[in-house]
Amino acid sequence: EVQLLESGGDLVQPGGSLRLSCADSGFSFSSYAMSWVRQAPGKGLEWVSAISGSGGSTYYADSVKGRFTISRDNSKNTLYLQMNSLRGEDTAIYYCATLRWYFEYWGQGTLVTVSS
Amino acid sequence: EIVLTQSPGTLSLSPGERATLSCRASQSISSSYVAWYQQKPGQAPRLLIYAASSRATGIPDRFSGSGSGTDFTLTISRLDPEDFAVYYCQQYGSSYTFGQGTKLEIK
Repeated sequence: EVQLLESGGDLVQPGGSLRLSCADSGFSFSSYAMSWVRQAPGKGLEWVSAISGSGGSTYYADSVKGRFTISRDNSKNTLYLQMNSLRGEDTAIYYCATLRWYFEYWGQGTLVTVSS
Repeated sequence: EIVLTQSPGTLSLSPGERATLSCRASQSISSSYVAWYQQKPGQAPRLLIYAASSRATGIPDRFSGSGSGTDFTLTISRLDPEDFAVYYCQQYGSSYTFGQGTKLEIK
C-alpha cells in the first residue's frame, strides 16, 4: 500500500524560505510522477507543482513559478518542495500526491503558515 | 486556464437519498481527464472517480460518474452517513485545476 508522509511545515515570516519533504513507503517511488497540492484554511484545492518519475521534467502553477522548486531523490524515496520568497497567500496545508493526470494517493499534509 | 464550476455549493440531503453533484467546465474537456475527490474534515482528499466514470480502488459502487464535453456529474445512489463530506472535481488540460467544491450535508 502506498503511504506518503509529509514534513517540514512551520511558521515562517513573509519573505522567508522553507523546504517540505514527502517520504514514501511501500511502493516503487521512482515509477510515479509526484505532485504538491495545497489547501488554504477553509478553502479549496490548488495544484502547486509536479515532477516526472525521473525528475527530469518539472511543472509549476503560475502562482508559485520562480519562487518554488520541486525536486526528488529516488535513492531516498523522497520528494521535496523548496519554497522561497514566501507570502501570506502561501499559507496552506501542503499535500504530496502520486500523479497520473489525477492525484491517486495522498499524504496527510503539512501546515505552512506565513505570518509576521 | 480551464475553470471548473461546481453546483450546488451546498447540498442538504438525508441518508438513503440520491445525490447529484454537477461540475461544469469553461471549455470542453476530454472525459478521460476528469476526476472526483471526497474530503472529510481534517483529512486529505480521497480519489473517487477518474476518467469521468471509472471508480478508484475500493470505492463503493453507489458512487458513479458521468458526463462529457463541459458537463460532468457525480452521483451517489443511496447516501450513507459516511458520505457527508466535501466533493471536488478536477481536470487535466494544459494544467491541473479543481472546482471550488460541493459540501454535502445531512438534512
